[in-house]
Amino acid sequence: QSVLTQPPSASGSPGQSVTISCTGTSSDVGGYNYVSWYQQHPGKAPRLMIYEVNKRPSGVPDRFSGSKSGNTASLTVSGLQAEDEADYYCNSYTGGNNLVFGGGTKLTVL
Amino acid sequence: EVQLVESGGGLVQPGGSLRLSCAASGFNFPIYSMNWVRQAPGKGLEWVSYITGNLGTIYYADSLKGRFTISRDNAKNSLYLQMNSLRVEDTAVYYCVRSVQFGFDTWGQGTMVTVSS
Repeated sequence: QSVLTQPPSASGSPGQSVTISCTGTSSDVGGYNYVSWYQQHPGKAPRLMIYEVNKRPSGVPDRFSGSKSGNTASLTVSGLQAEDEADYYCNSYTGGNNLVFGGGTKLTVL
Repeated sequence: EVQLVESGGGLVQPGGSLRLSCAASGFNFPIYSMNWVRQAPGKGLEWVSYITGNLGTIYYADSLKGRFTISRDNAKNSLYLQMNSLRVEDTAVYYCVRSVQFGFDTWGQGTMVTVSS
């Protein structure tokens, strides 16, 4: 079962933009447009931020955007705010009837 | 309000079994696909299993090797996870999760499963 690769940490100052990458293979990220992103604050359940690569659920600020190029998906947070500090996870459907998460990225707002 | 409430977690010895339940409310449960996702203490998220609304399709994580069984009762708006031959490494918070097009859009608060002697 594949594991999507995310950087362990990312950071930015308030108001800046930060991009978190999620690298897979042609069997998962590159092969399907079923990439999603989740935000998790300590002690809380995850929250869906992006689905189907670049779609935002209602209630998610438009500061959050998603994209994909080849086998790498990306989550961009623009206009960083203190409350954006959290762990972020990507997820993708795979061709083997599986769903796989990335290892997670801890985003720090400096 | 859309809500998912898990129950059934607890302490179990290695090799034991446990059945998790998830009560859904606030939405038309039978038409939604559902999942179990787990998170070991201090670790990342791990998808466990998926079931479509009509029970026609079921997926499992390869790592489970047939030890877990997902099921649902649409008449009771409930999702279940039967876990057998439990191992120490199965210790985690187990989340009941609704999905739409493989996006996990609604999460329960989680139930803790601890496998220890």
